[in-house]
Amino acid sequence: GENVEQHPSTLSVQEGDSAVIKCTYSDSASNYFPWYKQELGKRPQLIIDIRSNVGEKKDQRIAVTLNKTAKHFSLHITETQPEDSAVYFCAAKSGGSYIPTFGRGTSLIVHP
Amino acid sequence: KAGVTQTPRYLIKTRGQQVTLSCSPISGHRSVSWYQQTPGQGLQFLFEYFSETQRNKGNFPGRFSGRQFSNSRSEMNVSTLELGDSALYLCASSLGSGGARGDYEQYFGPGTRLTVT
Repeated sequence: GENVEQHPSTLSVQEGDSAVIKCTYSDSASNYFPWYKQELGKRPQLIIDIRSNVGEKKDQRIAVTLNKTAKHFSLHITETQPEDSAVYFCAAKSGGSYIPTFGRGTSLIVHP
Repeated sequence: KAGVTQTPRYLIKTRGQQVTLSCSPISGHRSVSWYQQTPGQGLQFLFEYFSETQRNKGNFPGRFSGRQFSNSRSEMNVSTLELGDSALYLCASSLGSGGARGDYEQYFGPGTRLTVT
């Protein structure tokens, strides 16, 4: 089955800086890569996703890039704000599966 | 459209007891997945149901079981509770139908916080 590694486990940045979270996956047939944000005490929420036929996708201050050859994908947050502080989960859905496999999460702390 | 709902939101049980958690998916969603979330362990996949059939299963002992009803509502049962079962249990629903585009987006419920004493 699919295996997803996520780094770093904790990321601390100053407000206004950029933050990058990286994930690698094992199944070269994986075709769907969502990212979830979970604020303290709340449910995970889908913030952006990318499919294997696209190399990059942007939505305001967040972007995701996908390198299929290297089997890794990354979440980029620019101009970070304190409200970006949360746990972020990456996931990858292998070709033969209907649901994604999640990484262990990255706790992002944005200091004002 | 109403979101995913889970009941109860909080539960306290004693070791050895059993518990049943419920999840109501978004209307029209036929896939329901269950996850266990503990600090530092991320989202551990338990199982997924689609059209009343278990389609995927994670690496949890047989004490963890589930089912799905014809209206797509799902229940999860844990028998002979252990202290280590204390966690937030999340369910997520999706269309789950695959296809050319693939309807894979999962929407999570608020979770049930289970405490085993």
